[in-house]
Amino acid sequence: KAGVTQTPRYLIKTRGQQVTLSCSPISGHRSVSWYQQTPGQGLQFLFEYFSETQRNKGNFPGRFSGRQFSNSRSEMNVSTLELGDSALYLCASSRGGREQDTQYFGPGTRLTVL
Amino acid sequence: AQRVTQPEKLLSVFKGAPVELKCNYSYSGSPELFWYVQYSRQRLQLLLRHISRESIKGFTADLNKGETSFHLKKPFAQEEDSAMYYCALSAGSGTYKYIFGTGTRLKVLA
Repeated sequence: KAGVTQTPRYLIKTRGQQVTLSCSPISGHRSVSWYQQTPGQGLQFLFEYFSETQRNKGNFPGRFSGRQFSNSRSEMNVSTLELGDSALYLCASSRGGREQDTQYFGPGTRLTVL
Repeated sequence: AQRVTQPEKLLSVFKGAPVELKCNYSYSGSPELFWYVQYSRQRLQLLLRHISRESIKGFTADLNKGETSFHLKKPFAQEEDSAMYYCALSAGSGTYKYIFGTGTRLKVLA
């Protein structure tokens, strides 16, 4: 089975721009979660989608948004980028039926905001 | 508020020595707890979960509800155990929200 894929792997943007990151889950997985990973904060939960519905979200400003498509692929968007948004963005997929389902992580997208 | 605390950023031990990576959580309900590991140049992956009561690669973790802890232990460390370890909590009750600690880097010295 192919693993979770994320595109692009690296992005460089400037303050004020917006960015869209993509995540393709493992085939058959219906849940996708997004995390922001920084050296000081570790992994912080952004949001989780299941069957195109957001089931929960973390404590991030409204500039961070996401969506999920009918094929379970997910995108997250960050508008009006700030320097502090520089991070590794990880997505993880799981079957989604139970909260204790194993999450399978992608390689991440490294976003640098200049 | 739900929180996962890993007090050590870095833990260095010699090969063959016992290892204990500490994890404390703050949650009033009955959480699901996990340990995830990230080896160098690899993806973050599940190591074990408390509900399974399993031993993976010689690691075990016991949930202590009284002390709200879920420490990861291994009796004899191996060099290949060197990695970043994250403790995580799922709040359950249909929240589908996962909270990770800040991680502990384990270095096993030859």
